[in-house]
Amino acid sequence: DTAVSQTPKYLVTQMGNDKSIKCEQNLGHDTMYWYKQDSKKFLKIMFSYNNKELIINETVPNRFSPKSPDKAHLNLHINSLELGDSAVYFCASSQDQRGGLSGANVLTFGAGSRLTVL
Amino acid sequence: KQEVTQIPAALSVPEGENLVLNCSFTDSAIYNLQWFRQDPGKGLTSLLLIQSSQREQTSGRLNASLDKSSGRSTLYIAASQPGDSATYLCAVTGGGNKLTFGTGTQLKVEL
Repeated sequence: DTAVSQTPKYLVTQMGNDKSIKCEQNLGHDTMYWYKQDSKKFLKIMFSYNNKELIINETVPNRFSPKSPDKAHLNLHINSLELGDSAVYFCASSQDQRGGLSGANVLTFGAGSRLTVL
Repeated sequence: KQEVTQIPAALSVPEGENLVLNCSFTDSAIYNLQWFRQDPGKGLTSLLLIQSSQREQTSGRLNASLDKSSGRSTLYIAASQPGDSATYLCAVTGGGNKLTFGTGTQLKVEL
């Protein structure tokens, strides 16, 4: 059973379109994340949600809208896609204590969704 | 702002060799440091996590050290194998449980 699953794995679309990437985790974790890995392989956090509540929003353009219907799902919707949005998007989850100093937040990552905007 | 740097960016070694990957970070106020492995077309696998109060962690042929005061960590891989070929990423956890990743070291172990 896949712990963190993302769909689709590959997505090719035209500029200006709206698309979504879905993520589901079956680990019972409270916190989920979206990371973006650019062409230089640099991974950077975009959002994190704890129990459906937005915790981190790293100055991502508001064309990106995460949606968490429940704590096992965190979907990423992107409006008006631009060429620079082409990247691999990784979903992850962890069992964190929000606001605490647990520091023991081992992340489990999905396999990634490669988005190509033409 | 936390910055994480990994050296070298790429490394090629013959099978059986011991090797060291380096990671440095600019802000020592971290909760922990993790080493990940990324295989092409796949997600990240957590290899080792070192809490800020610890100096090192070991798992099999892997040993990671942490010197928080100097902002450095190393990942030591003993007796390297072709299956170790991958990109290795280090990441530090700061405020808000946010991970900041390095740019990675691409390792190739040749037969």
